[in-house]
Amino acid sequence: NAGVTQTPKFRVLKTGQSMTLLCAQDMNHEYMYWYRQDPGMGLRLIHYSVGEGTTAKGEVPDGYNVSRLKKQNFLLGLESAAPSQTSVYFCASSYWGTRTEAFFGQGTRLTVV
Amino acid sequence: KQEVTQIPAALSVPEGENLVLNCSFTDSAIYNLQWFRQDPGKGLTSLLLIQSSQREQTSGRLNASLDKSSGRSTLYIAASQPGDSATYLCAVTGTYKYIFGTGTRLKVLA
Repeated sequence: NAGVTQTPKFRVLKTGQSMTLLCAQDMNHEYMYWYRQDPGMGLRLIHYSVGEGTTAKGEVPDGYNVSRLKKQNFLLGLESAAPSQTSVYFCASSYWGTRTEAFFGQGTRLTVV
Repeated sequence: KQEVTQIPAALSVPEGENLVLNCSFTDSAIYNLQWFRQDPGKGLTSLLLIQSSQREQTSGRLNASLDKSSGRSTLYIAASQPGDSATYLCAVTGTYKYIFGTGTRLKVLA
């Protein structure tokens, strides 16, 4: 019963490097989300997807790209990492948007030096 | 713009005490409200989901209430235990996103 799984759990990047965070869910959920969590600022929505092949911008999308090629996977990409992207990233999924319960992954702690 | 506030930011209580955590929001047009628990360095664990048409939900020692008209929710924890120590987050829902408060960091002393 995996739920929402994020890969990797930790990563250190140098400024300007790129990377992709993977989120996988096994609950057949339609909706998936990427949030970042920063001290004193709570969780903020980066991008979300309402179904396979769809993506949309959230509150803080700049510097990130996403793809949802398969229903169970939601990828978050950083093309050119900046120190301001140092954060903890959480993926979440829900069956039918915000009318239903959200389930979160364990997070990816990213440090950009 | 929806804003979610959680007071207090931190709380320390002796074991066995009953306690209330507060969550307030500025826009009553929500679909539901969800309470989460977050342990240090971990993800968010869903505790309770209250639909907008409901007034409360209960799970074990936890009871959450929702008053949309006043923009408030409370999470009641009965007979607190050291294992309840964590950060508690509430989130209200708009059309496509969950809007979070910054949480209440709870410490239950043995």
